[in-house]
Amino acid sequence: NAGVTQTPKFQVLKTGQSMTLQCAQDMNHNSMYWYRQDPGMGLRLIYYSASEGTTDKGEVPNGYNVSRLNKREFSLRLESAAPSQTSVYFCASSVTGGFNSPLHFGNGTRLTVT
Amino acid sequence: EDQVTQSPEALRLQEGESSSLNCSYTVSGLRGLFWYRQDPGKGPEFLFTLYSAGEEKEKERLKATLTKKESFLHITAPKPEDSATYLCAADTGGGNKLTFGTGTQLKVEL
Repeated sequence: NAGVTQTPKFQVLKTGQSMTLQCAQDMNHNSMYWYRQDPGMGLRLIYYSASEGTTDKGEVPNGYNVSRLNKREFSLRLESAAPSQTSVYFCASSVTGGFNSPLHFGNGTRLTVT
Repeated sequence: EDQVTQSPEALRLQEGESSSLNCSYTVSGLRGLFWYRQDPGKGPEFLFTLYSAGEEKEKERLKATLTKKESFLHITAPKPEDSATYLCAADTGGGNKLTFGTGTQLKVEL
């Protein structure tokens, strides 16, 4: 059982380049999330999808777009990368979006924008 | 604004030396308090959820407790494999309303 799988694991981009981070879960979870983790800061929510067909902005959505492709897959796109987007990106899923549903995280994508 | 503060930022223990990690929170309407463990280069791994003051949960050498203002993660007789960063998160309304702390980096030495 793979859980939450993220690709790629590492990526280096130049300012202005675009890329898509992929995420897939095999736990039949309804809700999926994209977080970023920066040194000295807690995990911050970028976008989430409460269920298939819906997406909503989180705390730090600027510069990102998402697509909930189906129940399993949730991608994050950077249209024009900036150095401020250098971070570790985590995808997570939960059974529901409710308060009693813990998040299950992937192992992250480490992105450097030069 | 919801805030979660973890202390200490880093903690070094000798094997077998028990201690506690603190997670204090100032949030509107706590629904649950999560604890996660994060190993280097990995994503956070769920440990516990606590829902009400006075609640306790245990897993091996870890015990989490909750009061109205803070949560503690007690580590009894730790081993080197307990070395990790421990994160707490306050839930005020579901997965899209989690406020994470910055974590306590624990190192347990022989």
